[in-house]
Formats: sequence, structure tokens, C-alpha cells
Amino acid sequence: AQTVTQSQPEMSVQEAETVTLSCTYDTSESNYYLFWYKQPPSRQMILVIRQEAYKQQNATENRFSVNFQKAAKSFSLKISDSQLGDTAMYFCAFGLGGGADGLTFGKGTHLIIQP
Amino acid sequence: GAGVSQSPSNKVTEKGKDVELRCDPISGHTALYWYRQSLGQGLEFLIYFQGNSAPDKSGLPSDRFSAERTGGSVSTLTIQRTQQEDSAVYLCASSAGATRDTGELFFGEGSRLTVL
Repeated sequence: AQTVTQSQPEMSVQEAETVTLSCTYDTSESNYYLFWYKQPPSRQMILVIRQEAYKQQNATENRFSVNFQKAAKSFSLKISDSQLGDTAMYFCAFGLGGGADGLTFGKGTHLIIQP
Repeated sequence: GAGVSQSPSNKVTEKGKDVELRCDPISGHTALYWYRQSLGQGLEFLIYFQGNSAPDKSGLPSDRFSAERTGGSVSTLTIQRTQQEDSAVYLCASSAGATRDTGELFFGEGSRLTVL
């Protein structure tokens, strides 16, 4: 079974700063997918960024980027130029893709962006 | 519809009553999942439907929980004889379910259940 660990229950930074959320996982699989989801107070989980394990290049989406270290089983999320609207719970998730049984989620990091 | 739709958005019930939560997935998505999110916690997998296959019920916490998916589309999660520890947000998600798919999940806004 896979496990996902997020060691930072809560983080707080000033607007416009850069923040990094950490995530580690454990698996014996070689092909898999990693995700960061954002859950604002509205409750709806929204995909922030996705990484395919077979790709060495780190994924980026505008102000969001990841540092994927496959050997270390680490998948951190970096948010640059943080904005007030980035305040939310952030969940790291692991999946095997395709018809496999869903995603395994970490416990989440509550990120607060201070004005 | 354009996204995953869940109803009701909020449900308050008395201990011992039965509740039904509904999920309407994205059209064409063959995979459907139910997760439970207790206050301040991560997501706990409950049940998974893939097409017409038998569902994976391995995450259901007790036999008071059941779910069905009619016609490969709409799903209903039923909790019988509700207990206070059932209070949580119940999230539904769907995915394309194709073999080469990344497995990305698309979530609804959840149903918040409060058991008094």
C-alpha cells in the first residue's frame, strides 16, 4: 500500500513571498502520478499541478512548480509571488493512473497568506 | 453536467436516522469515488465504482454504510442509523477511468453531514 506524508500541518507567509510545501510518499511502484490539490473554504478540491513519475522534468503551472525527487520519494510544491487567494488547504496525492483505485492523499497543509 | 454535482450541500440529522447523499459525475466518466473528510483531517477513501464492475468497498467503515451507482452514472451513498462520529464532509469525485488516463480526480463541492 502507498502512503503520503505531509509534515507541515500549517504554514503562514506574507503576500508576495515564496513558500514551499513538503510531501513525501512511499511506494514500490516505478510508474505513478503525483498531484497537488487545493481546497479553499468553498470545500471543492481543485487540481493545482500534476507530475508523471517517468518524467524527469519538474512540472510548472504559472506561479506553481514542483521539486520532484524520485529517488528520495519527495514531491514538494513551490508557490511563487503568493497571493491572498492562495490561502487554502493543500493536499498531496499519489495515484497509479488509469483504472486503478483512486488517489491516496496526505493529511494536508493549511496555508495562510497574510496581507 | 460540466462538473461533479453533489446534493445536499448540507444535511443536519438526528442520531439514528438514515441519510442519503447523491453524486452526479461528469458525463462520460466511468470511475466514481466517495471520500470522507472529517474536521481538519485528510481524505479517507470509502468506495470506488469503475464502469459496470463490482465496486471496491474496502474503505467503508461499517455495514451501516452502503453505496450504489445506477446506470453507470449517478451514485447514492447511504448511511443507516447515523452516529455522531459520521459527521464529516462527504466528497464525491469522478475520473475518466481509461487505462492510459493519469487518474486525475474531479471533485464535487461535497455534502456536509452533521449528526446531532
